[in-house]
Amino acid sequence: KNQVEQSPQSLIILEGKNCTLQCNYTVSPFSNLRWYKQDTGRGPVSLTIMTFSENTKSNGRYTATLDADTKQSSLHITASQLSDSASYICVVCPLTGGGNKLTFGTGTQLKVEL
Amino acid sequence: DVKVTQSSRYLVKRTGEKVFLECVQDMDHENMFWYRQDPGLGLRLIYFSYDVKMKEKGDIPEGYSVSREKKERFSLILESASTNQTSMYLCASRLDQGSDEQYFGPGTRLTVT
Repeated sequence: KNQVEQSPQSLIILEGKNCTLQCNYTVSPFSNLRWYKQDTGRGPVSLTIMTFSENTKSNGRYTATLDADTKQSSLHITASQLSDSASYICVVCPLTGGGNKLTFGTGTQLKVEL
Repeated sequence: DVKVTQSSRYLVKRTGEKVFLECVQDMDHENMFWYRQDPGLGLRLIYFSYDVKMKEKGDIPEGYSVSREKKERFSLILESASTNQTSMYLCASRLDQGSDEQYFGPGTRLTVT
């Protein structure tokens, strides 16, 4: 069964610090991997997308990396801000399924404190 | 900007009631989805629709049905609500071509008592 596992489950960091979230997946073959940010009480919003041939993608202070050989991805947040407090979800799109059946991780809950 | 709206942010229903959750998108997207999100389980696909009046079961369709009479609107129906259907329900939409990015609504927190 296709799976996406994320670690840690939750994380607390001080404002201004960096952090890295991990995602391991078994989905194969896959079309792309996205990281979504979900603020409390809102729907997820896409942060980055990487195809199987890409190994890094940045969006401001967010940098995602992908190692398709080891089936691992990470999301690095630089100089964290209070507004980064959210759940971060790793999502893998299988090559089959027409882009409609995604596999979602359970998310990492990040809290940024003063 | 793509906008996906859901009819209610919070809903409380009694066991056995019929429940309708409505979702509307304003970007002429072909595909629409209903997920439920539970702690520790991530998002799970209930149903999706790839065209008006067309639907396909997701991973957990039992106890749910859907309706898509117009392209912009996708409804999730709980025929007889049960307490194990207490959850956060998220609607999403996407274009059929060019991108698989799904755009999500704000969610409906449903409590069945």
